[in-house]
Amino acid sequence: EPEVTQTPSHQVTQMGQEVILRCVPISNHLYFYWYRQILGQKVEFLVSFYNNEISEKSEIFDDQFSVERPDGSNFTLKIRSTKLEDSAMYFCASSLLAGEGPEGIQYFGAGTRLSVL
Amino acid sequence: AQKITQTQPGMFVQEKEAVTLDCTYDTSDPSYGLFWYKQPSSGEMIFLIYQGSYDQQNATEGRYSLNFQKARKSANLVISASQLGDSAMYFCAMREGTDNDMRFGAGTRLTVKP
Repeated sequence: EPEVTQTPSHQVTQMGQEVILRCVPISNHLYFYWYRQILGQKVEFLVSFYNNEISEKSEIFDDQFSVERPDGSNFTLKIRSTKLEDSAMYFCASSLLAGEGPEGIQYFGAGTRLSVL
Repeated sequence: AQKITQTQPGMFVQEKEAVTLDCTYDTSDPSYGLFWYKQPSSGEMIFLIYQGSYDQQNATEGRYSLNFQKARKSANLVISASQLGDSAMYFCAMREGTDNDMRFGAGTRLTVKP
């Protein structure tokens, strides 16, 4: 069964360093997303991406964040200068289409746990 | 404003019994989708079931069913014949027709007792 894969599963970094979280969405999906979940809290939307550009972003997704689809399969989230409060689980997701219908079901990867020291 | 509300932080159920996890939502958009996800202790988010706002029948997927009451804006998840492996966090989420993002509730931690 096709799945979203994320690497690494755990990333430890020093405050102020840049990190890149990687994702391979399901191959025929067109919409890609990043979410984060701070430990013990709810899942929060960061950004959605379609047709090589950001389609929507939340207020959390400020200038220190960027996303890219560098080739036909990978989708990355870059955090330019990490802060302690960026420590969280980061989930990548993909959906076939957008919208509220069944084609918009978002399938999640297993997540990358980011620890900023 | 809180769009998805899960009022049960924790629930216990005996193995083989059924359990209902509550979810209420708030939207003025006539088109929306409701989703339930399971998050085991390993951390991944597993899609369980989907209900569209225009669907006339309640969604079912194996042991999971969704008790959709549109007028009350509730979308409760029913798990029948609970198994030990059902112990996990369960999140209700909503996606409105005009938005790309999905809003999540705070989650309910379900513990299945042997």
